[in-house]
This record gives sequence, structure tokens and C-alpha cells, in this order.
Amino acid sequence: ETGVTQSPTHLIKTRGQQVTLRCSSQSGHNTVSWYQQALGQGPQFIFQYYREEENGRGNFPPRFSGLQFPNYSSELNVNALELDDSALYLCASSLQGVRNTIYFGEGSWLTVV
Amino acid sequence: GENVEQHPSTLSVQEGDSAVIKCTYSDSASNYFPWYKQELGKGPQLIIDIRSNVGEKKDQRIAVTLNKTAKHFSLHITETQPEDSAVYFCAAFAQNTNAGKSTFGDGTTLTVKP
Repeated sequence: ETGVTQSPTHLIKTRGQQVTLRCSSQSGHNTVSWYQQALGQGPQFIFQYYREEENGRGNFPPRFSGLQFPNYSSELNVNALELDDSALYLCASSLQGVRNTIYFGEGSWLTVV
Repeated sequence: GENVEQHPSTLSVQEGDSAVIKCTYSDSASNYFPWYKQELGKGPQLIIDIRSNVGEKKDQRIAVTLNKTAKHFSLHITETQPEDSAVYFCAAFAQNTNAGKSTFGDGTTLTVKP
């Protein structure tokens, strides 16, 4: 148990719709990172939030956006869903600093049909 | 950007044997190298990590080695057990900035046969 919780665990959306995924970080962790993991691949970094601001982004289009709240929980929003967005979305929390370690939640399985 | 290559993609060993998974990275700014174990339907679980100021780290049956000059690091599992069967991912992080960007390998599916 990492203390990182994500919801929902599974969901199905139609192409063109929007989705919001949620994450509660481990107690005391102030940084949240989001990853996309397609079947058979490693997690790909989407972005990271620290002090309610995005402070690092991977190679994902602007329709992937996020929020971090004062209690350090976070949301990932994806607009105009495409079939290729079907994947496991992972949230990871850490304590910002030079030697931080990240801990993953169990993920949200998104299927776009 | 960073590129992480992981080999082999699949590995099958007999229970009790050792397993070795290797990763190479490209960005010399990377300074933190964790290994994750992912079981079916679950999120990745951190099993061991190493930082760039250390060459080797061991935790019971698991060890990781890092060669900064050659930009490669390896996971060693000794006395493998069937419950070690899972997908293992290596990753490289540049943690000397606030961005914390990370790059993962594509994973190694380890099967330990009883």
C-alpha cells in the first residue's frame, strides 16, 4: 500500500467526450505526477504538479490538463478523447526535493470507444 | 530528451535461479534510477532504487548496480521465487530540478517456473 488513491478504477468513454480522473497523494507528499501507460509499455510522463502549479510536462498535447488542490490532491482532465487515449492512467506522489522517491497509485483504466 | 532502453523484454527462469535485467540511459543529467514491479491489474510498486552517487545497492534478494560512465544500470534478483513473476520497469529521473521528468523502459516480463 502506497497511500496513493485514484478514482475511478475503470471507466468507458466515447470518442470526443471529456474525462476527469482523481488522485489523493500519500500523506505529507506535496508533489503529484501523472503518467499514461498503454498496454505492453512503460509509463509515460504527462506532467507534474507542485504547489498547485504545473512544473514539468512530457510530450502530451494541451487537451491533457490538470489541477492540484491545496490539500495536494490532483485531477487529470482529458478533452476531446481519442481512441488512442485508452490506457492506464497512473498518479504518483512524492515530496519535492532533490532526493524524492515517487509512489504510484493503482491507476484508472480508461477505455475510449 | 532522455531515452531508456530495457533488455530483455521477456525472461523465463527456473525457481531458485538468478535473473538479471539491464537498462541503458542517454541523459547524463539523470541522477536517480528506480526499479518497479508491476503485477497484473495493479500500479507499479517500487522495489529498489539507486542514486548517481552510489555504484551498488542491495536489499535481501534484490540488488541494483549503476555504471555512470557507461550509462547503464541493472537489476539482479537471486534465488527467484514464483511470486517474483511480474513485469519489471526501470526508470531514469533527473531530480536536480523541480520538473522531475522521468523516462521508463518498456518493461521486462519475468516468469519464474516452479
